[in-house]
Amino acid sequence: QLQLQESGPGLVKPSETLSLSCSVSGDSISSSSYYWGWIRQPPGKGLEWIASMYYTGTTYYNPSLKSRVTVSVDTSTNLFSLKLRSVTAADTAMYYCASETGSYYGWWGQGKLVTVSS
Amino acid sequence: DIQMTQSPSSLSASVGDRVTLSCRASQSISTFLNWYQQKPGKAPKLLIYGASTLQSGVPSRFSGSGSGTDFTLTISSLQPEDFATYYCQQSFINHQTFGQGTKVDVK
Repeated sequence: QLQLQESGPGLVKPSETLSLSCSVSGDSISSSSYYWGWIRQPPGKGLEWIASMYYTGTTYYNPSLKSRVTVSVDTSTNLFSLKLRSVTAADTAMYYCASETGSYYGWWGQGKLVTVSS
Repeated sequence: DIQMTQSPSSLSASVGDRVTLSCRASQSISTFLNWYQQKPGKAPKLLIYGASTLQSGVPSRFSGSGSGTDFTLTISSLQPEDFATYYCQQSFINHQTFGQGTKVDVK
């Protein structure tokens, strides 16, 4: 079974860039079976899809975040990453990475809480 | 974008109750509808995909139905471990969206 683990700073200053990585174990990130996704959840609120990408580089972004988001995959390290630029307090959230198979997210990381504050 | 609306936002129920949660899409999504359960402090867990297919390991008291714009998640006999928040998600288009969630708590 897949295991995913988010990592990165838990505190980011306003206007800076939020950077998170997701380590994948149990299968290759280059497997044709998966897309790799990022989803976030502000404290006490619902889930918001951020982006999905295939190991070849095909990427889909939430239109409301597209201008600030970049996702990438590193097949040599079995990692995929999220960068969110120009953050504000509204970007404070639990950030989850997940694997997408057949249009659903079957495996999730435990989440990484990122707080935007000076 | 496709908007997903869940109802009710919350409901109170007792162990043993039959519980029905609804999810409506702003346009037809065929059966590209998934349901997740989330408990406090935990990541969401996939329950049902493709509107009605039970994920491996999920108890059979959970079932899903619907197609087009209207979908239902049913818990046939609510168990103590089922008190949680439930989210629907459409995957019909590459710009996926989640519903706002339905919280099921103890009556």
